[in-house]
Amino acid sequence: AQSVTQPDIHITVSEGASLELRCNYSYGATPYLFWYVQSPGQGLQLLLKYFSGDTLVQGIKGFEAEFKRSQSSFNLRKPSVHWSDAAEYFCAVGVSAGGTSYGKLTFGQGTILTVHP
Amino acid sequence: NAGVTQTPKFQVLKTGQSMTLQCAQDMNHNSMYWYRQDPGMGLRLIYYSASEGTTDKGEVPNGYNVSRLNKREFSLRLESAAPSQTSVYFCASSATGGTGYTFGSGTRLTVV
Repeated sequence: AQSVTQPDIHITVSEGASLELRCNYSYGATPYLFWYVQSPGQGLQLLLKYFSGDTLVQGIKGFEAEFKRSQSSFNLRKPSVHWSDAAEYFCAVGVSAGGTSYGKLTFGQGTILTVHP
Repeated sequence: NAGVTQTPKFQVLKTGQSMTLQCAQDMNHNSMYWYRQDPGMGLRLIYYSASEGTTDKGEVPNGYNVSRLNKREFSLRLESAAPSQTSVYFCASSATGGTGYTFGSGTRLTVV
């Protein structure tokens, strides 16, 4: 079965600083990979996703993520963080077509981002 | 607006009471899901329905039942609520293969 690890429970950055949130996955084949963001009391919003092709994926709100097969990682980055980016971020892995869990997502534990002014 | 609608948004139950969480989507998605979210544990899949007429257990199905009423609606039932079921519940839908989930805004359930 697939699994996702987000090593950092809580990250604090200053506004304007760069950001990298780590995500490591375990899955035998090429997975579908996602990053979601959740503001307090809200549902989850999709930031970006990777299915195949170019390993550097651009998303909304200036975020990007890079799929590194050799490291089983899909880290989320942003060059300059804004105060409005404060939220909880979830990495998720989905099984590609033909897998026994096709269509289901497995989520990491989440990383809470605090932004200092 | 198109999306996933969950009702109710908040609910307090006493231990042993039953209730049904409702979910409806208007995006013509085939697949629907119920997740629960607990602090430090991310989202865990309770049940899912790959297509109308089918349902299957996820990671944490004990204490829950589901009904895929039609293509639009997927309900989650707690037959005898327990304090361990205090959580935030999210419904989601996707096109076949889960390549793009849309989440509802959640139901915050407290069992006392």
